[in-house]
Amino acid sequence: GAVVSQHPSRVICKSGTSVKIECRSLDFQATTMFWYRQFPKQSLMLMATSNEGSKATYEQGVEKDKFLINHASLTLSTLTVASAHPEDSSFYICSLAGGGETQYFGPGTRLLVL
Amino acid sequence: SQKIEQNSEALNIQEGKTATLTCNYTNYSPAYLQWYRQDPGRGPVFLLLIRENEKEKRKERLKVTFDTTLKQSLFHITASQPADSATYLCALASSSASKIIFGSGTRLSIRP
Repeated sequence: GAVVSQHPSRVICKSGTSVKIECRSLDFQATTMFWYRQFPKQSLMLMATSNEGSKATYEQGVEKDKFLINHASLTLSTLTVASAHPEDSSFYICSLAGGGETQYFGPGTRLLVL
Repeated sequence: SQKIEQNSEALNIQEGKTATLTCNYTNYSPAYLQWYRQDPGRGPVFLLLIRENEKEKRKERLKVTFDTTLKQSLFHITASQPADSATYLCALASSSASKIIFGSGTRLSIRP
């Protein structure tokens, strides 16, 4: 399957800081990537679908001005949490569709906002 | 509204036994169902996919069943090992182009 990396793996920041998370496909050209958020002991919640060369599609209730997604190339999508607050603390995971129904997930980024 | 339930939040069984995890769904007609494994602090890893017209799928010690009448999937791990301890997520999609919806997961613990 496809290999997906995320950077950084962990971020601790002060409230009000903007945080950028990178998601890279190391061996697959992905026209579509997905961003999920997972709170402790809860399942993955889809935040948005990132499309290369066009705007992301956000799920209901997800603020696009708060969670900025840029799919700069077929191997890179970034999620920027603008002016992060403690309630944004979560586990952020990206994935890509590997040419079929299966999704390949990155290792995740743990964000802690103080 | 669409709902996916993984009935057991946690399951604790003896090594060597068969672990059986359940996934039920309502208000949904999935084209296929998937099972993923997630270890603590890691992203999910794909295990198996079963389509709506398939009853059963196997892969090594893993077996998945899919009953669209009962709206249920069962996930079995035979000859379970402590290394199988993880959270297992079921996920549904109505088509290959639609988004995947995940259940909340079952945390499986295999004791030696």
